[in-house]
Amino acid sequence: DVKVTQSSRYLVKRTGEKVFLECVQDMDHENMFWYRQDPGLGLRLIYFSYDVKMKEKGDIPEGYSVSREKKERFSLILESASTNQTSMYLCASSGTSVYNEQFFGPGTRLTVL
Amino acid sequence: AQRVTQPEKLLSVFKGAPVELKCNYSYSGSPELFWYVQYSRQRLQLLLRHISRESIKGFTADLNKGETSFHLKKPFAQEEDSAMYYCALALPSGGSYIPTFGRGTSLIVHP
Repeated sequence: DVKVTQSSRYLVKRTGEKVFLECVQDMDHENMFWYRQDPGLGLRLIYFSYDVKMKEKGDIPEGYSVSREKKERFSLILESASTNQTSMYLCASSGTSVYNEQFFGPGTRLTVL
Repeated sequence: AQRVTQPEKLLSVFKGAPVELKCNYSYSGSPELFWYVQYSRQRLQLLLRHISRESIKGFTADLNKGETSFHLKKPFAQEEDSAMYYCALALPSGGSYIPTFGRGTSLIVHP
């Protein structure tokens, strides 16, 4: 019963390319998130969205943008990929209550050459 | 400013030993805290949350407001507990709540 899916498990791109990472959830959640996961740095929030067409910057938004045209889909865009964006990217969704847990996707391992 | 601090990057214990993964938070309001776990090759998932006051897989966590801590404990570690553990604090934002994560602690349980 997969609830949060990400478009790719592994992705290799070249410096300067535009990269799209897609995330879909089937739980009708209002909130969706994109994180970077790096060893020693934990999960760092890139962007989040609490409604369709709404987006808020997280802690490290530079070099990224997002799109949420439909409630179930949240896309992360790297406008011009750089080597320092090589990382594991995690998508998550949740309800709006303070008690709601986050449900995570399997992650996309992005390598930028 | 770091809102959630996990002081240990790595915790290494032997099977059967007690385990305590530390988590300290900084928040002036009433905190709502969570522990998430990521086993090897699996997705990150909720382990337990403060509001539930439950024990999951033998793990418990008690909120200590005086020490601003939410340490995760298990009296007898098992090899299958080896994983990455993240503490998270739910912070209000725009009418919703956004979790802030610590940097994580890698737990290794040796046979």
